[in-house]
Amino acid sequence: RKEVEQDPGPFNVPEGATVAFNCTYSNSASQSFFWYRQDCRKEPKLLMSVYSSGNEDGRFTAQLNRASQYISLLIRDSKLSDSATYLCVVNIYNFNKFYFGSGTKLNVKP
Amino acid sequence: NAGVTQTPKFRVLKTGQSMTLLCAQDMNHEYMYWYRQDPGMGLRLIHYSVGEGTTAKGEVPDGYNVSRLKKQNFLLGLESAAPSQTSVYFCASSFSGDKNIQYFGAGTRLSVL
Repeated sequence: RKEVEQDPGPFNVPEGATVAFNCTYSNSASQSFFWYRQDCRKEPKLLMSVYSSGNEDGRFTAQLNRASQYISLLIRDSKLSDSATYLCVVNIYNFNKFYFGSGTKLNVKP
Repeated sequence: NAGVTQTPKFRVLKTGQSMTLLCAQDMNHEYMYWYRQDPGMGLRLIHYSVGEGTTAKGEVPDGYNVSRLKKQNFLLGLESAAPSQTSVYFCASSFSGDKNIQYFGAGTRLSVL
């Protein structure tokens, strides 16, 4: 079983739509959680960390559910520039490793 | 404001050739990582280091070696390249513990013919 699982998509949405991605992780000892964005043929870049209480950054909202071991990302008012692959990442401090999902591809269309 | 720098950006090798990929970070991070990314797949950890002089195997270490002689540099070596090592290689670095956001280099695109 993979450490982190994501729906690969693609999610094809019109501009202005609201879209949500989910991600599940298998290790209950996971301590840090992140969403990264990766544009085609580019390096992953941090979109936002995910905190237990949930957090928001502009049009982006991230939620963590430790009991069910899933993380979500909500994007409101989608822009063309949001088209990318979104990677879910978890970290376990003692293992010094980050575990990446395979990514969810988002296409925002005019 | 360099962050994480990878060299080279592109390389084409013949089967059996060797090469070294260099990763340098200027953020004083303790941890450094090498990943490979193949089409349709997520990042897979090759090797990582939690400090100068230390290295450890990741998920897919076979065919690769690494060294971290200085805190700011992490080298990935391919002793005898194989076509299965055709991939995009990313280096990353981070602090430890709860300040552990990873920062990535721009990647090295390697083709082995």
